[in-house]
Amino acid sequence: EADIYQTPRYLVIGTGKKITLECSQTMGHDKMYWYQQDPGMELHLIHYSYGVNSTEKGDLSSESTVSRIRTEHFPLTLESARPSHTSQYLCASSLAQFNEKLFFGSGTQLSVL
Amino acid sequence: DQQVKQNSPSLSVQEGRISILNCDYTNSMFDYFLWYKKYPAEGPTFLISISSIKDKNEDGRFTVFLNKSAKHLSLHIVPSQPGDSAVYFCAARRGSQGNLIFGKGTKLSVKP
Repeated sequence: EADIYQTPRYLVIGTGKKITLECSQTMGHDKMYWYQQDPGMELHLIHYSYGVNSTEKGDLSSESTVSRIRTEHFPLTLESARPSHTSQYLCASSLAQFNEKLFFGSGTQLSVL
Repeated sequence: DQQVKQNSPSLSVQEGRISILNCDYTNSMFDYFLWYKKYPAEGPTFLISISSIKDKNEDGRFTVFLNKSAKHLSLHIVPSQPGDSAVYFCAARRGSQGNLIFGKGTKLSVKP
């Protein structure tokens, strides 16, 4: 069973607010990822990290930012939320040498009004 | 441009019968393919994978077939059970350090 946790599960927030989506894993995995998914659509990679102090942009451009100060923690921040940010955000992690076997958290469903 | 395509948004199958989920890809550099399963309000979970050097991989009721010449893979579930009802995502990786590219998913409904 995967030990990767995301909070909050659901978030409804007004336009212009700053939000941080939390993601933590207790498996000691090196790589961590943030995916964004809309209903019926692909999972799009928006950020990933190879380890502490490493952050990279994914395939889908995003206005969000991430940080990786500790191995186990990979938060995602939106400085000013907009309705176009409404989506499900999925955090994942993997061992570096098995980067195809991702363990996903339960996701955060974000709604920006 | 979609590199991994799941052209069937949904599939309905009777319990005990075979479920076949299909996936096509466009990039011949993909070397590893995976299937993930997702229940509502949960994150995807890894199901089964196959390397491009193989054409079949089996794990219990789940078998994945790869046809490289056709750039096509399929997931067979036999026999299908109601608990298999979920969204199934096909994913592909290019190179050992490549990130996964996902399809849009196929929603499988297994009816008792």
